Amino acid sequence: AQSVSQHNHHVILSEAASLELGCNYSYGGTVNLFWYVQYPGQHLQLLLKYFSGDPLVKGIKGFEAEFIKSKFSFNLRKPSVQWSDTAEYFCAVITVHNQGGKLIFGQGTELSVKP
Amino acid sequence: NAGVTQTPKFQVLKTGQSMTLQCAQDMNHNSMYWYRQDPGMGLRLIYYSASEGTTDKGEVPNGYNVSRLNKREFSLRLESAAPSQTSVYFCASSDPSLAGGLRSEQFFGPGTRLTVL
Repeated sequence: AQSVSQHNHHVILSEAASLELGCNYSYGGTVNLFWYVQYPGQHLQLLLKYFSGDPLVKGIKGFEAEFIKSKFSFNLRKPSVQWSDTAEYFCAVITVHNQGGKLIFGQGTELSVKP
Repeated sequence: NAGVTQTPKFQVLKTGQSMTLQCAQDMNHNSMYWYRQDPGMGLRLIYYSASEGTTDKGEVPNGYNVSRLNKREFSLRLESAAPSQTSVYFCASSDPSLAGGLRSEQFFGPGTRLTVL
C-alpha cells in the first residue's frame, strides 16, 4: 500500500536557522509529490509540487524541495526560517484511484520558530 | 473568486445526531474530495467525486455518505454521529485538465471542526 512518512513530528528552531524536513514515500509507480503548509487556524496551502523534470523544485516563501527517486524521498528545505513559518507541514503523494486523484498525506511536522 | 468554501466552520453534535457538511467551489473543477484530519495521522480521504454524477469511497468511508449535487457542490452527511467522528473535515477540488492530469494539485477549503459528544 502507498504510504508517506515524515520523520520529524515537532521541530523547534530559532529564527535564521536552516530547515530540513524529511519525507519518504512508498509507491512504485509514477508519483506527483507535494508539500502543503497549514498555518494556525487556516486551511492547507500548496508550498510546492513535483511532477517531472528538474528534481529540485522551488516553491513559495523561499522553500524548496529535492526529489531523490532512488531514495524515495522529497525533503523540504529553507535556508533561513522566520517566525512566520511557524505552521504544520504535510508531505503528500498523489496516485490515481479509479478516476480520481487520491492524495496520501504524511503525519505532518509541526514547526515552531522562536523569535 | 472564493475558491473552495465550507459551512459550517464549527459544529457540536450529540452522539446519534445527523448533519450535513456543505462544500462549494467556484473554480469549475470536475473533481471534489472530502478528507478528515486527525492529530498525528495527517489527512485521510473519506469520499471523492471524479465528476458530476459520480462518487467513490476513499480510505475511511464508514459512517459517511456524500452527494454531488451539481458541479459546484459536494456535501458530506453523517447519518448517526459517533465520537470517533470528531475531527476537522476538509473539502478539496481539482481539475484533471490542468498539469498533472488526475494527479493535479488539489485546492482546499478552510475546514469544518466537528465535535461529537
